[in-house]
This record gives sequence, structure tokens and C-alpha cells, in this order.
Amino acid sequence: NAGVMQNPRHLVRRRGQEARLRCSPMKGHSHVYWYRQLPEEGLKFMVYLQKENIIDESGMPKERFSAEFPKEGPSILRIQQVVRGDSAAYFCASSPNGGGQETQYFGPGTRLLVL
Amino acid sequence: GNSVTQMEGPVTLSEEAFLTINCTYTATGYPSLFWYVQYPGEGLQLLLKATKADDKGSNKGFEATYRKETTSFHLEKGSVQVSDSAVYFCALSGLGGSEKLVFGKGTKLTVNP
Repeated sequence: NAGVMQNPRHLVRRRGQEARLRCSPMKGHSHVYWYRQLPEEGLKFMVYLQKENIIDESGMPKERFSAEFPKEGPSILRIQQVVRGDSAAYFCASSPNGGGQETQYFGPGTRLLVL
Repeated sequence: GNSVTQMEGPVTLSEEAFLTINCTYTATGYPSLFWYVQYPGEGLQLLLKATKADDKGSNKGFEATYRKETTSFHLEKGSVQVSDSAVYFCALSGLGGSEKLVFGKGTKLTVNP
């Protein structure tokens, strides 16, 4: 049973370019969460999605960031016009059901470097 | 707001030493509590969890007890191994119907042979 898959594992972008991060949840999981980890810090929640719906985006920056989880295919976190401050590790997690008691299973992360 | 505070690292121990990593939380309700571990270059793995007061989570020799009266969830292990070297994160979720995890800043543990 494959775990949560993320790609690419490493992504280098120049300022002003777009970054697209992909996340395939574990089989049977329909809930996806995105977190950002800045250097030397813990993870910060960004967005929670179910298939075709954004449930909670309270942690998403208001501009340049968007997320989707289509009916078919992986979840995508999109960052437009990247800036150096976007450099971080972005982790995706999935769970079979929603609910605060559920375990979230994490992917290996995408490490974004903005030059 | 809701938050998690972990003891500052890094922590360096010799093999077979006793480990305690303190974790306290601030919350307006009764969250579920988690410990996750992150090995270098990898994502987070669930180590253990507890969903209500007085529950004890345990896994791979690690334990933590959900203490409502002290709002704490300290991680302990009786005898650490070199392979336990990693960053440990305490987290909570389930407040106000929210599924999002709120993490502490992490504690880096290094175990020397």
C-alpha cells in the first residue's frame, strides 16, 4: 500500500515564476491537507481539501497561493510569482475521514528553493 | 489562540539514556494530541497519539500521557538508541471541529553511541 506521494521532491524557481506542487493521497483517502515548514520551525497548516472542495483555507496566504483537489488526479498547490520568502518545505498529508482524532499520513515533502 | 509549546532543543543523549521531551498546550477545548517524528530529509511519521484525558499513547518504546490538569503530553522513552535520532513534533487537533494539526516547533534529538 503506497504511502502519500509528492512530486517533485525538490523544485528550484526564480523569483516571479510559478511553482506547482503535487500530492497523491494514500489509496482510499479522500481528505488532503497541506502544511508549510520554514527553516528551523514547525509545520504550519495551509489548507484542507476534500475531493473538489476546499474545506478550510484559513492558513493560506491571501495572494498568489491556491490549491485544488480535483475529482480525478492529485491535489495541486500552486504558487504564482514566487518570492524568496516562499522557500520552504511543503508537506501534504491525507486521511481516510475527516475529524480531529484522525491520523494524518504525511508525504516526503517538496523542498522549494526560490533564487 | 490554540498553541503547542515544546522544550527547546537540541537534545543530545548517550545510547540507553532516559529521554523526556516536554510538551504543553493551550486550547479552548479538549483536543486530540499527537507526537510525530521526522527523520532527516523525510516527511513526518506518526509516533503515537491520545484522544482524551488520561489516555496513554505508546509505540516503539515511546510513551506519552494526556494530562488535562497540567495541559501536557510529555514524550518519554526509557532507553534511547542511535536510530532514535530525529526531530520530534508535538501537535494537537480537533478543536472547534477543525481537523488541522497545530504543531510545536520541534525538538531535535541526537543519540550518540
